[in-house]
Amino acid sequence: GAGVSQSPSNKVTEKGKDVELRCDPISGHTALYWYRQSLGQGLEFLIYFQGNSAPDKSGLPSDRFSAERTGGSVSTLTIQRTQQEDSAVYLCASSGGRRRETQYFGPGTRLLVL
Amino acid sequence: GESVGLHLPTLSVQEGDNSIINCAYSNSASDYFIWYKQESGKGPQFIIDIRSNMDKRQGQRVTVLLNKTVKHLSLQIAATQPGDSAVYFCAESTSGGSNYKLTFGKGTLLTVNP
Repeated sequence: GAGVSQSPSNKVTEKGKDVELRCDPISGHTALYWYRQSLGQGLEFLIYFQGNSAPDKSGLPSDRFSAERTGGSVSTLTIQRTQQEDSAVYLCASSGGRRRETQYFGPGTRLLVL
Repeated sequence: GESVGLHLPTLSVQEGDNSIINCAYSNSASDYFIWYKQESGKGPQFIIDIRSNMDKRQGQRVTVLLNKTVKHLSLQIAATQPGDSAVYFCAESTSGGSNYKLTFGKGTLLTVNP
């Protein structure tokens, strides 16, 4: 597709369960970012991938959060032992076009932890 | 810590009027700024961006102004339309290598009255 895609669009899970969120960046974009948007809040940086370089994990809120990017394309954000405070919209963005700093966002995954 | 903030959390305008959304930033090292529009249930949509070596940039019906002296950013929307109703976020980054991770403000809700 032409834009960033994310799946699932919505996820409801029980406290303590693990969840996996997927992001397909724009084809050819080498940089991929994950952000979290809590209800009524702005976006909070989580993690950044660039090519084969080591990711910048400085925004991950706890060691329950991890992410990987396979083959320089698709990325998966995993949250282990989910807590209610993890409920948020998880947004993925990619960049790498002519203006390499411009990030384009996907529609997000809305996570609700019961 | 340093952050990007907004002067007005809500803005209501009449259709056809011009809108101005303001944003203050505190990180003097920031060298890239971007505005996003976010409609309910959707991901942020890129509107316009500007690098710190410029003070004005124009797009279609939108203009971004950057005043580095007072660390102020604004988004001007000409002839505002009902479809412009959304939350608008400003964000900034410091280009450390290729990592342009964004720091977002909390957003301004723009309501356009027909």
